[in-house]
Amino acid sequence: TQLLEQSPQFLSIQEGENLTVYCNSSSVFSSLQWYRQEPGEGPVLLVTVVTGGEVKKLKRLTFQFGDARKDSSLHITAAQPGDTGLYLCAGLDSGAGSYQLTFGKGTKLSVIP
Amino acid sequence: DAGVIQSPRHEVTEMGQEVTLRCKPISGHNSLFWYRQTMMRGLELLIYFNNNVPIDDSGMPEDRFSAKMPNASFSTLKIQPSEPRDSAVYFCASRSTGQPIYEQYFGPGTRLTVT
Repeated sequence: TQLLEQSPQFLSIQEGENLTVYCNSSSVFSSLQWYRQEPGEGPVLLVTVVTGGEVKKLKRLTFQFGDARKDSSLHITAAQPGDTGLYLCAGLDSGAGSYQLTFGKGTKLSVIP
Repeated sequence: DAGVIQSPRHEVTEMGQEVTLRCKPISGHNSLFWYRQTMMRGLELLIYFNNNVPIDDSGMPEDRFSAKMPNASFSTLKIQPSEPRDSAVYFCASRSTGQPIYEQYFGPGTRLTVT
């Protein structure tokens, strides 16, 4: 079973601060996705990273896939209250053609105005 | 286009009762997933279907859980009999395997409380 560990589990910061959350595994994934989930809603895809070492930017969010495709990070610059939510990473397992996602437990981010 | 639709949004039932959760995937999507989310275990895959056929049900916790997909636009997850430890948020998600990036689109979830 492939496991994804996310850290920190909880993070509370002031508006305008920067933060980084991490997603680590001992397994290699064909690609990795980051989702954001708001209370009472389902997760929504933010980005997919595919190539080891890849960096993608989405406005104030920067996503990086580790060179060995076992880990990833999400950096938020100048956090806003609208960034509050549960951030989930999910590894795509293409073994046996199943293409199933394995989710981490998430980082719950609170941005205080 | 409407997103993934789930019903009911909330369900409160007593232990021992049968519970049926419903899902309508996005039109044209040919894969459907049922997940369960709890604080302790996070988001867990229960079962997924490809072209209405169950492919992997290894995540179904026990025989009390069953899932069906009678056609491309409808799926159910049934728990019979329900137990308090089944309390969780259940999500349905769908995707199109024709997409280059395997993005799953999630429904809003059904919050199940078993007393």
